[in-house]
Amino acid sequence: GESVGLHLPTLSVQEGDNSIINCAYSNSASDYFIWYKQESGKGPQFIIDIRSNMDKRQGQRVTVLLNKTVKHLSLQIAATQPGDSAVYFCAERGTGNQFYFGTGTSLTVIP
Amino acid sequence: DAEITQSPRHKITETGRQVTLACHQTWNHNNMFWYRQDLGHGLRLIHYSYGVQDTNKGEVSDGYSVSRSNTEDLPLTLESAASSQTSVYFCASSLTGGSDTQYFGPGTRLTVL
Repeated sequence: GESVGLHLPTLSVQEGDNSIINCAYSNSASDYFIWYKQESGKGPQFIIDIRSNMDKRQGQRVTVLLNKTVKHLSLQIAATQPGDSAVYFCAERGTGNQFYFGTGTSLTVIP
Repeated sequence: DAEITQSPRHKITETGRQVTLACHQTWNHNNMFWYRQDLGHGLRLIHYSYGVQDTNKGEVSDGYSVSRSNTEDLPLTLESAASSQTSVYFCASSLTGGSDTQYFGPGTRLTVL
């Protein structure tokens, strides 16, 4: 089955710096990817998505990059703010149109 | 505003008891999902439904059941709670069949003693 993992379990950044969170996926047939943000005690919140026919997609302060050659996904957060502190995880749509979720990276923003 | 709610938010029960977790969405989404979230694991799919009277098993369905009698609700039942089912449970919904973004509820923390 699919496996979705993250390179680093924790990430600390200074307020104002840019953050990069990485995700590796194993199913080359996955065609749709989502990044979620999860704050403590809350449900996952949609941040941004990207389809496999794209390499890059930008939102407000966030950019997702997709490298299908190495099956790698990244989330870039510009000018990181304290409110960005949370766990971030990626999800891929794979076999049977089901989503498979990574374990998450905990981002801590240092004021 | 449309939303997805879960109840209770916290539940403590004993081994062997039947437990039902509620999920209610007002987005009129066709699709609803139940996941569990445990340390060291990503969200794992328990059951899902693509419409009224439709239910399907997910990756970790053993010991759980769901029913879909209307569009808004997908209750999750633990037939005989086990300590291994201590977890945080999330309900999610999406508009179309397995393809669109899933939006999550706030979660239910279940402890089985």
